[in-house]
Amino acid sequence: SFELTQPPSVSVSPGQTASITCSGDKLRHKSVCWYQQRPGQSPILVIYQNTQRPSGIPERFSGSNSGSSATLTIGGTQPMDEADYYCQAWDSSTAWRLFGGGTKLTVL
Amino acid sequence: EVQLVESGGGLVQPGGSLRLSCAASGFTLSTYRMNWVRQAPGKGLEWISYISGSGAIIYYADSVKGRFTISRDNAESSLYLQMNSLRDEDTAVYFCVRDSGGWSFDYWGQGSLVTVSS
Repeated sequence: SFELTQPPSVSVSPGQTASITCSGDKLRHKSVCWYQQRPGQSPILVIYQNTQRPSGIPERFSGSNSGSSATLTIGGTQPMDEADYYCQAWDSSTAWRLFGGGTKLTVL
Repeated sequence: EVQLVESGGGLVQPGGSLRLSCAASGFTLSTYRMNWVRQAPGKGLEWISYISGSGAIIYYADSVKGRFTISRDNAESSLYLQMNSLRDEDTAVYFCVRDSGGWSFDYWGQGSLVTVSS
């Protein structure tokens, strides 16, 4: 079955660039989105359709999708960006909306 | 302003039943596909069910298929999740989530905690 794999954790220094990957079979043929979830809060959409940023999401958030991996990049990472990040894609064979296991981003 | 407000969570014994409701406001529910997503304590997000705008097309994750039933009442702007034969592993926060139409979820409710325990 289709699965999305993320690293459990990523660390970054304030002001540096953070990259979080999401891998899956033939992922480049799928539309990938990314969610940010701060502790105790509901997730919010930060990237959709691989590269699109919803209104209100800072420009430092960007996305890409090529090969077998999609990547969420946070440029000039700020302490407020410390959160869990989840990738998500639609499995066309089952119509399921699948999530990656999540990545805890630590800004230190 | 789009709002999704879940209710109906609580403590239930294994094998029991519970019905979650989600009240939608700020948009026309009938024009949007909807989903339920859950998150077990300290764990990641798990999509569990989808329903089309009319309610004609429904999907479930294998983990809940045959036990949970998603439904909607567009006239009442409400989404529902009937949960039967509950197990310990169903303990989670359940989120009502709007499908943006671009294979992503653009609005999430605040979540409703379901605890299955004897």
